[in-house]
Formats: sequence, structure tokens, C-alpha cells
Amino acid sequence: SAVISQKPSRDICQRGTSLTIQCQVDSQVTMMFWYRQQPGQSLTLIATANQGSEATYESGFVIDKFPISRPNLTFSTLTVSNMSPEDSSIYLCSGGDRLVDTEAFFGQGTRLTVV
Amino acid sequence: AQSVTQLGSHVSVSEGALVLLRCNYSSSVPPYLFWYVQYPNQGLQLLLKYTSAATLVKGINGFEAEFKKSETSFHLTKPSAHMSDAAEYFCAVWGTGNQFYFGTGTSLTVIP
Repeated sequence: SAVISQKPSRDICQRGTSLTIQCQVDSQVTMMFWYRQQPGQSLTLIATANQGSEATYESGFVIDKFPISRPNLTFSTLTVSNMSPEDSSIYLCSGGDRLVDTEAFFGQGTRLTVV
Repeated sequence: AQSVTQLGSHVSVSEGALVLLRCNYSSSVPPYLFWYVQYPNQGLQLLLKYTSAATLVKGINGFEAEFKKSETSFHLTKPSAHMSDAAEYFCAVWGTGNQFYFGTGTSLTVIP
């Protein structure tokens, strides 16, 4: 099974600033995903991070707000740009290979508070 | 399109009692179904998964789930609840667009 290290684990940020969240996988994975989990709610997929190409964003999420990098098969970053209090949430990265037959592995999450 | 519905956003059981968390799915193709657990301030951990093999799936920590096609259900059970089982549980289906579709989650409280 893969282990995903996500950092920072939490942060308190000023509105208007940006925060970059990093995820490092201990093995190569084909697919990586970024989710947002608002308080008391389920996971909402932000985007699929594609190695060597632009991320694929879900409806309601745009690259200017959530730029994503995936320089190789073990690493990805998500930036939350020009933050507002509405961006306060938990952000989770996930990755896996042959996801239909295995499972997705999750990072520990980043708890973001925007003040 | 795929989706899952978790009935009951909060479930409370006494320690030692049966745990039953309900999940119904909607899928136009044979589904791949998962249960994940999230402990406070942590990421998601896989409990078990169904990928068209045995319909009764055993997972970690004594949990199991039964895939019932006729009922489009994949309920999670554990015979005897432990205090350490208190957490948020998510049912998920793997679907179109190569992504997971998560349920809204069920918060399990275990009463001593």
C-alpha cells in the first residue's frame, strides 16, 4: 500500500494570501486527486492531477483559484489562491494505481482556516 | 451516473452492541464499492472494498459489508462496537470519469 504525506497539516492564513499544499507519495501512482471537505460534509472532488499536463477540474472549481502541479508520479501540489474565509476547509489529496482493483490512499489532510 | 446514499448522518450505539451503517448505491454498471473511515483530524482510511468477487467482504477492525445487488445496498456492520470505532464513515463508489463518488458520511458515536 502507498503512503501519502501531506503538509502542512494545518494553517491559519490571512485573507487575500495563497497557500500551497504538498503531497508526496512513497511510490509512483498513476492518479492523484484533490478534495475539499467542508465542516460536517463529505468530500468534494476539486480536480484530478495529471502528470505532465494540466489538471482536470470539476464543475465549480477553476485553475486560477486552485492551481495544481504534478511534476512527476510521486508528487503534487494544490495552491489555494487569494483566499477568503469561505475557503476554510480540510483539503485532502489522494492517489492510487489501478484504482478499480485497489483502493485510493489518502493524505492526512490540511485543515485551513482563513481569517 | 454513479452515486451513493448513506442513511443516517449520525448513529449512536452502546459499547458491545451491533454497528449497522447503511449505504445504497446507484450505478449503471457493476459497481466497485468502498467504505472509508475518518478519525478526527485525520485522512481517510480504507475499511473494505467490493470489486465483484465475494459478496460478503471482510475488512479491518472487525468490520464487514455485504453487497446485495437486488437491494442496491452495501451496508457496513460490526458485531460488537468498541469505543475506538467512534469516527466518521464514508461509503463510496468508483464511477465515471475515473473518480470516487462519496456519500455524505455517517458519524458513529459509541456510548460507554
